[in-house]
Amino acid sequence: AQTVTQSQPEMSVQEAETVTLSCTYDTSESNYYLFWYKQPPSRQMILVIRQEAYKQQNATENRFSVNFQKAAKSFSLKISDSQLGGTAMYFCAFMREEYGGSQGNLIFGKGTKLSVKP
Amino acid sequence: EPEVTQTPSHQVTQMGQEVILRCVPISNHLYFYWYRQILGQKVEFLVSFYNNEISEKSEIFDDQFSVERPDGSNFTLKIRSTKLEDSAMYFCASSWSRVKEGYTFGSGTRLTVV
Repeated sequence: AQTVTQSQPEMSVQEAETVTLSCTYDTSESNYYLFWYKQPPSRQMILVIRQEAYKQQNATENRFSVNFQKAAKSFSLKISDSQLGGTAMYFCAFMREEYGGSQGNLIFGKGTKLSVKP
Repeated sequence: EPEVTQTPSHQVTQMGQEVILRCVPISNHLYFYWYRQILGQKVEFLVSFYNNEISEKSEIFDDQFSVERPDGSNFTLKIRSTKLEDSAMYFCASSWSRVKEGYTFGSGTRLTVV
């Protein structure tokens, strides 16, 4: 079974600074997808960034980038130029590849509560 | 931008009562999901739904739970006889295709069982 571990329950960062959130996972699959979701106080789950395991290039999305280390099963999220609106829970999630038109479901970590301070 | 809409945002119910949580997925999406998040804990998969039937369900999704797509727009989660431990945020999600792109989640329904 796949597991996702986020070892930092809480972190804080100053506005405009850079912060890195850690995520490790365990799987025997070779093809899979990794995601970071943001959950602000409004509670909605918002997709931040995704990475296909078969792609060596790290995904980037504006101020968000990942450091994907497949051999180490590590998938960290770097947030640059942190903004006050970035205060939220950040969840790392894993999805295995599915075949034959079926779907996969997301396996989440426990989350990291990030506070962006002025 | 299209949204997944969930109603109600908060529901309080007495233990043993039936509740129905409602979701309106994005209109051209084909795959639908329910997840739940007990306060302070991780988000957990409940069930996925495609082509008018359940595709996959977790151990949590026991006989007390059911899902339905009664018309072309709504997707519901029913809990037949609620227990205190069913208190959680319930998230609906939908996607257009195989979900490697990631789903679109709704804002959730907070269910409180008293």
